[in-house]
Amino acid sequence: SQQGEEDPQALSIQEGENATMNCSYKTSINNLQWYRQNSGRGLVHLILIRSNEREKHSGRLRVTLDTSKKSSSLLITASRAADTASYFCASPTDKLIFGTGTRLQVFP
Amino acid sequence: NAGVMQNPRHLVRRRGQEARLRCSPMKGHSHVYWYRQLPEEGLKFMVYLQKENIIDESGMPKERFSAEFPKEGPSILRIQQVVRGDSAAYFCASSPRMVSDEQYFGPGTRLTVT
Repeated sequence: SQQGEEDPQALSIQEGENATMNCSYKTSINNLQWYRQNSGRGLVHLILIRSNEREKHSGRLRVTLDTSKKSSSLLITASRAADTASYFCASPTDKLIFGTGTRLQVFP
Repeated sequence: NAGVMQNPRHLVRRRGQEARLRCSPMKGHSHVYWYRQLPEEGLKFMVYLQKENIIDESGMPKERFSAEFPKEGPSILRIQQVVRGDSAAYFCASSPRMVSDEQYFGPGTRLTVT
C-alpha cells in the first residue's frame, strides 16, 4: 500500500513564483525524505527531515513536518524553469515507500 | 566517487525472453534496493539486498523475478519469460547503512517488451 500521497498531483506556475507540495503518510516514521525526478532520469535526494524536527531549509527549499497530522510540505521559493520535475516524498518504515509524486512545471 | 551505475540504460526484449538488469552501487555502499516505475507513477519497492543476502523481497512478484547481490560484482535483477506488463523503468539505489538513510539512485534501465 502507498505510504505517501502527494498533493497536488500536478502544479503549473510561472518563474519566480513559489511552489508548495504536500505529502501525507500513514505510519510512524523516524524521518521523511523528498526526492526530485527529472523526466526520464533517476531520483535525486533533496532533503531529509527527522521526526524531531519541524522545519528544515536547504537553499530555496523549505520542508516542514507535522507528525501529529502525519504530513509534510515542500516549498520551493523563487522557482526557475529548471525546477520543472516530479517531486516525491518518501518515508522509511522497514523499506522506503514513495508517494505518487507531484509534477511541477515552471514556465519561463 | 562514481555514482550508482546501471546497465543497460535501455533494453528491448520479446515476450518470453529473459531480461538481466545490472546495478553497481556507490563505492562503500553495501545496501542495494530495486524499484519499478510505470509511466506517470511513483516508484514501487521491489527488493532490498545486502551483500549475499536478500533482506526484504516483499515487493517482488512471486514468479519470474529474482535478484541477487553477490560478494563480488554488481547486483542483478533478473526477469524470466518477460511479458508486456513488465515494460517499465527499473531503478536501483544504494545506501551506506540502513534503509532509513538517504538513497542514491542510478539512472535506471528502461525495459520494453515487444
